[in-house]
Amino acid sequence: GESVGLHLPTLSVQEGDNSIINCAYSNSASDYFIWYKQESGKGPQFIIDIRSNMDKRQGQRVTVLLNKTVKHLSLQIAATQPGDSAVYFCAERGGFKTIFGAGTRLFVKA
Amino acid sequence: DTAVSQTPKYLVTQMGNDKSIKCEQNLGHDTMYWYKQDSKKFLKIMFSYNNKELIINETVPNRFSPKSPDKAHLNLHINSLELGDSAVYFCASSQLIADLAGELFFGEGSRLTVL
Repeated sequence: GESVGLHLPTLSVQEGDNSIINCAYSNSASDYFIWYKQESGKGPQFIIDIRSNMDKRQGQRVTVLLNKTVKHLSLQIAATQPGDSAVYFCAERGGFKTIFGAGTRLFVKA
Repeated sequence: DTAVSQTPKYLVTQMGNDKSIKCEQNLGHDTMYWYKQDSKKFLKIMFSYNNKELIINETVPNRFSPKSPDKAHLNLHINSLELGDSAVYFCASSQLIADLAGELFFGEGSRLTVL
């Protein structure tokens, strides 16, 4: 069946360090791969996306890498800040359907 | 000005009851969704409507019935509530345009607790 991501792992980083959050996916037919951030008590919020025919895309302090050979997606956050503490989800969209992975909890230590 | 708003934010009820959650979006999007988030934070798609037409219906029990009176509203009615229905239910909307990711805009969630 379709699956994106791993069971909810936790990543703890020091403020100012770079963070890398990883995700594995299984559906090769997806059009887009997307990262969302969910803060406590709120709905997920879009961070960055990458089209399936690309392998890297950069935003402000964030970079998404897509490796279709091994079906791997990663989110890199530069100079991690306390406000980056949240649960991060990778997701894949095909047509109208967006399927989410299990998420990664990021803790930022001051 | 809230883009996707859902009510109520919290709902506590007894097993066997019937309850509804309402959702409205003011983004002018054509597509709306219901997602269920369990205690392990896993987000699972339940339903999707595009221009009031049901386009996604994921193996959800018949006790769950979505209704979209117009493309700005998507409600979720749940009959005969069970303990396993306890979760946070998220409404979302999107506008699918060629060559764009069609990001989802989520509401703040409705936490349902069934006792």
